[in-house]
Amino acid sequence: QVQLQESGPGLVKPSETLSLTCTVSGGSVNSYYWSWIRQPPGKGLEWIGYMFYTGKSDYNPSLESRVTMSVDTSKNQFSLKLSSVTSADTAVYYCARGAREPIWGRGTLVTVSS
Amino acid sequence: DVVMTQSPLSLPVTLGQPASISCSSSRSLVYSDGNTYLNWFHLRPGQSPRRLIYKVSNRDSGVPDRFSGSGSGTDFTLKISRVEAEDVGVYYCMQGTHWPLTFGPGTKVEIK
Repeated sequence: QVQLQESGPGLVKPSETLSLTCTVSGGSVNSYYWSWIRQPPGKGLEWIGYMFYTGKSDYNPSLESRVTMSVDTSKNQFSLKLSSVTSADTAVYYCARGAREPIWGRGTLVTVSS
Repeated sequence: DVVMTQSPLSLPVTLGQPASISCSSSRSLVYSDGNTYLNWFHLRPGQSPRRLIYKVSNRDSGVPDRFSGSGSGTDFTLKISRVEAEDVGVYYCMQGTHWPLTFGPGTKVEIK
């Protein structure tokens, strides 16, 4: 059974780049789509984007200009970078296997604050 | 973007009683491959979000059979036949048909 674990800094300064990694166990990143989803405190869920290990990707238009996703097949990980963050990017970030029918990780809280 | 709505947003329930959550989409969720990508998730603080139902009515492995999903097109329902204490939390519907993928606002289920 696949398990997903997000990791990365819990605190990021405004205007800097948020970087998160999702480590996949019980399965290979060389299959499936891999996604990121977030939920700001007290707000709804937002789809950030997905990518395939081949590099095919699609991002939410609301975030597209600031998002980069990548897959590291040697480490069985995939990553999210979100640039020029503001307090509005404070959220629990979830990685997930799949896009249309995702299986989620536990999530990690990232706070944007100076 | 496809707008997903849910009702009710808050659902106090009695243990052992049934519960039902409705989800509607602003566009049909039937995809070009003939599938309808409507999922239901259960979120509890400190736990991984759990997918309960995919493609409208398919229950995930390990999900109790008291959970069932139904619907078509733009209107969908999640039913719990007999609510148990572990069912508290927030339930979200999510459409996987149209990009960007979107979620309902969530229904908070709590025990009376």
